[in-house]
Amino acid sequence: EVQLVESGGGLVQPGGSLRLSCAASGFTFSNYWMSWVRQAPGKGLEWVANIKQDGSEKYYVDSVKGRFTISRDNAKNSLFLQMNSLRAEDTAVYYCRGGHDAFDIWGQGTMVTVSS
Amino acid sequence: DFVMTQSPLSLPVTLGQPASISCRSSQSLVYSDGNTYLNWFQQRPGQSPRRLIYKVSNRDSGVPDRFSGSGSGTDFTLKISRVEAEDVGVYYCMQGTHWLPLTFGGGTKVEIK
Repeated sequence: EVQLVESGGGLVQPGGSLRLSCAASGFTFSNYWMSWVRQAPGKGLEWVANIKQDGSEKYYVDSVKGRFTISRDNAKNSLFLQMNSLRAEDTAVYYCRGGHDAFDIWGQGTMVTVSS
Repeated sequence: DFVMTQSPLSLPVTLGQPASISCRSSQSLVYSDGNTYLNWFQQRPGQSPRRLIYKVSNRDSGVPDRFSGSGSGTDFTLKISRVEAEDVGVYYCMQGTHWLPLTFGGGTKVEIK
């Protein structure tokens, strides 16, 4: 089955850190750009970061630059998002997304809550 | 900054009737390779987003043919020819032409009257 499964979300205090993971299966993970997209409670979708197939290019939305790091391990079919210096406004469901042209897949999301 | 504007915000529709959602970009979405990277996504209540349309008018695998996309340049439309109960949810356009940042529209909530 083609799927993405996120993990690693939870409750963290402002200024804290979390590392999200996304496990891919059923498709050739190393062939695709991968992304993280988030959705704050009751709000719309916001692109967070992208990473190229070989990890050589990475892009971030301005609000997370310098705090979040996207990475991938193609040998383990896994995508990661290291989140440091977390703020209340980072509270959201974080989705892993991948694909290109005719192929597009999203995970079920993992909730990150930043609160004291 | 680059902006994607969707309308309407809310769209009450009678079952079996058509529905249309507009998406306008602040700049042309034609990329240097000649393609226009405009996607449409559906998010049903409590579910992850699911892509319906890519590059303006190409339906994803498994998407019913009552969904269609059209447009060019800065103006795009998603149409549902006959709304069914399972179409309830929020619809987003997203541009993939101008990369920093990739940008979603604000969403259109489709509900049954």
